[in-house]
Order: sequence, then structure tokens, then C-alpha cells
Amino acid sequence: AQRVTQPEKLLSVFKGAPVELKCNYSYSGSPELFWYVQYSRQRLQLLLRHISRESIKGFTADLNKGETSFHLKKPFAQEEDSAMYYCALRIYNQGGKLIFGQGTELSVKP
Amino acid sequence: ETGVTQSPTHLIKTRGQQVTLRCSSQSGHNTVSWYQQALGQGPQFIFQYYREEENGRGNFPPRFSGLQFPNYSSELNVNALELDDSALYLCASSIGTHNSPLHFGNGTRLTVT
Repeated sequence: AQRVTQPEKLLSVFKGAPVELKCNYSYSGSPELFWYVQYSRQRLQLLLRHISRESIKGFTADLNKGETSFHLKKPFAQEEDSAMYYCALRIYNQGGKLIFGQGTELSVKP
Repeated sequence: ETGVTQSPTHLIKTRGQQVTLRCSSQSGHNTVSWYQQALGQGPQFIFQYYREEENGRGNFPPRFSGLQFPNYSSELNVNALELDDSALYLCASSIGTHNSPLHFGNGTRLTVT
């Protein structure tokens, strides 16, 4: 079955602390993974995709096919990082649909 | 560059009624996807339209239907509304069906009473 799991509903850290938002996936094909972010009162927007291998706003994510994971990391959290984060898996044989995890709310305290 | 716009922003309907939600895709985008997001959940894929034809469908019953128009805008229609249809409905547009990232609208909040 195709599935994305984000085990933490809420992650609370202090400003300057490292952050890791966990994402595990289940998919028999070649995965393409994304992180989307939703800031308060804003639309869902793409943060990064694994094929780009970019660092956006200090966040990085590495695809680990052995562990079927795509964890999102940032070495020093900022208050403006507080948002809802969704991991998503693209399924190519069904119109390129995205399967989303349940989301993790990141709260960065001053 | 005009982003994805959805209307209306909020809607209240009664069980058994029908509803139409609208979406204008981002400029230059020819593909529209619809997602349902229940409270506390991630978005779930309903279907995708490319060149005015349905190009993929999730696990939603036939009473969920859609259209895409020549200008790439789209409608989501839901018949015989049920209480469980209460959710945020998101529209996303992209270029083509596979390689381009999705750009989301702000969503329509549907409440069924």
C-alpha cells in the first residue's frame, strides 16, 4: 500500500535548537518526495523536493531508500519556522497524485 | 503572476444538497488537481484534470465529479452531500501531469449540516 507516515502531530522546540521532522513512506515504485509547509493563514506551499537536493530556508531533507524515510532537518530553528509541515509522495501511475502525511505542527518557542 | 484562486472561501450546505466549487489555475498552468482535507488530516487526492479530461482519480465516490474548461479553470461538484463531506477543499495547479510541483489555492471550507 502507498502510504506516508508522519509520527509526530506536534513538535515543540526552542529557538536555536535543531529540528527534525520525521517522514516515512511505503511505495513499491521509485519515490519522489516533497515537503510542503503551511504558515498561519497562508496557503499550502512547496518547501522542497528531494530531486532538487536544495536547502530552502535552512531546511534540508535526504531521501533514504533503505529506511524509506525523508526526514526534514534544520540545524537552528527560528520562530518564523513555526508552521504545519506535510510530507508528500508522488504516485506517477495515477496522474501524478500526491499522497500526504497527516502533518506535523512545528512550534518554535522564543 | 496570478496564483491559484478558489471560490467561494466558505460555504454551508444541508445534507442531500449539491455544491459546486470553483478554481482558477495559476497563469501558464494546464493541469488542475483537487484535494479534500478533513480537520487534522493531510490533503487527500480526489482527481486531476489535464486538457479538459480526468487524468487520475482517488478513492472518492462518483457523486464527486469535476470539469476543466478550455482556459484551464476547473469545477468540483459534489452531489447528495453527506455530513462527512465537511472539509477544506483544495485546488492545485501545475504544468503537465508529473514533473511540475503543485501550487495550491487557499481552499474552500465546506460545512454540511
